[in-house]
Amino acid sequence: KNEVEQSPQNLTAQEGEFITINCSYSVGISALHWLQQHPGGGIVSLFMLSSGKKKHGRLIATINIQEKHSSLHITASHPRDSAVYICAASNTDKLIFGTGTRLQVFP
Amino acid sequence: DAGITQSPRHKVTETGTPVTLRCHQTENHRYMYWYRQDPGHGLRLIHYSYGVKDTDKGEVSDGYSVSRSKTEDFLLTLESATSSQTSVYFCATHRGYGNQPQHFGDGTRLSIL
Repeated sequence: KNEVEQSPQNLTAQEGEFITINCSYSVGISALHWLQQHPGGGIVSLFMLSSGKKKHGRLIATINIQEKHSSLHITASHPRDSAVYICAASNTDKLIFGTGTRLQVFP
Repeated sequence: DAGITQSPRHKVTETGTPVTLRCHQTENHRYMYWYRQDPGHGLRLIHYSYGVKDTDKGEVSDGYSVSRSKTEDFLLTLESATSSQTSVYFCATHRGYGNQPQHFGDGTRLSIL
């Protein structure tokens, strides 16, 4: 069993829909990261959180430390949100990555 | 951004040849990492460095070596490339203190025929 599990693996949505991607982890962490990777592109950090909730534009990330679970929400999704979203747990100086969720948003 | 440049961006080579990938950063970050990304797997750590000449193995280090002779450069070497090392390789950096995210380069697509 992977130490960081994401679901779903693939997700399709119509423009405007509310999207949720889930991440569960089984290790102790100092922080939980959400990353975005566009097709053929580099990897960008979206959020790093150790408690509660963070919001940036239409993106919201939450974490429940007791349940070892985090969610990434996208409100009013847009085709430009199509990307792979990666959850990663940081433990000391290393990251443990989930396998990613491929999101496609259609107009 | 941490000003990370990976070179080359694409490379095709033959089995058995040596290959060196370079990661250059301009932000004086202490930590540098090499990952590989393959379908069905998350990013996996190959090696990392926590200072000049200080390196350690990650989970998939077999067949790879690294060197860091100065803060800004972290080299990944495949001494004798194999087809199983065909992958996309990412370099990342981290300041080394505080709760900060890692910063990633744009990746190197390596194909070994």
